[in-house]
Amino acid sequence: QVQLQESGPGLVKPSQTLSLTCTVSGGSISSGDYYWSWIRQPPGKGLEWIGYIYYSGSTYYNPSLKSRVTISVDTSKNQFSLKLSSVTAADTAVYYCARVKASWEVDYWGQGTLVTVSS
Amino acid sequence: QSVLTQPPSVSGAPGQRVTISCTGSSSNIGAGYDVHWYQQLPGTAPKLLIYGNSNRPSGVPDRFSGSKSGTSASLAITGLQAEDEADYYCQSYDSSLSGWGYVFGTGTKVTVL
Repeated sequence: QVQLQESGPGLVKPSQTLSLTCTVSGGSISSGDYYWSWIRQPPGKGLEWIGYIYYSGSTYYNPSLKSRVTISVDTSKNQFSLKLSSVTAADTAVYYCARVKASWEVDYWGQGTLVTVSS
Repeated sequence: QSVLTQPPSVSGAPGQRVTISCTGSSSNIGAGYDVHWYQQLPGTAPKLLIYGNSNRPSGVPDRFSGSKSGTSASLAITGLQAEDEADYYCQSYDSSLSGWGYVFGTGTKVTVL
């Protein structure tokens, strides 16, 4: 059974960089059958796709966040990571890491981690 | 603002049938891209409910069904149960979003009366 677990600070100051890591267990992140994604959900609002990475390191980002987002992968640790720079209160959200199939459905989600941007 | 529009809320009594629409356009659902559906119970991560327009993953009750026609898709829940009270999201691809097309719908809250 594949499991994903987000980790990182729950509180980030405005203008700083949000950093999260997703650890994948029960399956290899190097499998070419999947993309590895970050998705967020502001409190009381809908889902927003941040971006995704392939095991080879190829990345694709939501244009609305592209200038501030970096997603990277560490296949040796079976982890992938998110960095979001210059955060504001609007970046306060539950951040999910997820596994995406080639047909673009998300078949596994992490439990999510709330990141609050506040001084 | 998503390019996939869902009603904010739908409700029904236990045992009833409810449907949730996901309205798109010729650049997403109408272009033939698949629609997937997710159920998000309160305080939990979304869960894949329907993939490829009408397919259920293993373990999803057959009370849930999906369909697609033209520029819209629908999720139907028959025999509504109290445990179905949740938020539901559709997801597809939109070719008009330059360089990025992966979008979720606006979400629908299902209330069991």
